[in-house]
Amino acid sequence: GENVEQHPSTLSVQEGDSAVIKCTYSDSASNYFPWYKQELGKGPQLIIDIRSNVGEKKDQRIAVTLNKTAKHFSLHITETQPEDSAVYFCAATSGGGADGLTFGKGTHLIIQP
Amino acid sequence: NAGVMQNPRHLVRRRGQEARLRCSPMKGHSHVYWYRQLPEEGLKFMVYLQKENIIDESGMPKERFSAEFPKEGPSILRIQQVVRGDSAAYFCASSPTRGSEAFFGQGTRLTVV
Repeated sequence: GENVEQHPSTLSVQEGDSAVIKCTYSDSASNYFPWYKQELGKGPQLIIDIRSNVGEKKDQRIAVTLNKTAKHFSLHITETQPEDSAVYFCAATSGGGADGLTFGKGTHLIIQP
Repeated sequence: NAGVMQNPRHLVRRRGQEARLRCSPMKGHSHVYWYRQLPEEGLKFMVYLQKENIIDESGMPKERFSAEFPKEGPSILRIQQVVRGDSAAYFCASSPTRGSEAFFGQGTRLTVV
């Protein structure tokens, strides 16, 4: 089955700086890679996703890159703000949607004022 | 358009009792997914259902756990004879079609005492 590794487990950055979270996956059949933000006591919120037919996708301050050859994908947040503080999860699936998503263990992002 | 609704938000059960978790998908969504999250862990896929059908239950424990999504009403995740190890947050997600992005509910936090 699929295995997703996520690093780092904790990331502390100064407000205004950039944050990068990296994930690797094992199943070459995986074709959908969403990123979720989870705040304390809440459910995961989809913030951006990428499918295997593209290498990069951007939405305002958030971008995701995918390297299918190396089987890794990354989340980039620029100009970080205090409200970006949360736990971020990467996930992968060959189902193309939310069925059978394999999640990483999460990155606790802390934005220092 | 209300989001994915889960209830109850918190559920306490004694060992050996039954737990019933409910999930009402977003309007127009007929695909439902259940995930379990242990403390400090990522989400683990349990089951994928479409109206009246179980599509993929590969992540569901073989005993004590069952799920349904009837033609009318919410999806139900049922855990019989709960044990302390069942204590976790259970999240439901829904999507309009297979392969499209999914939206998560706020979760049900089950505590077994």
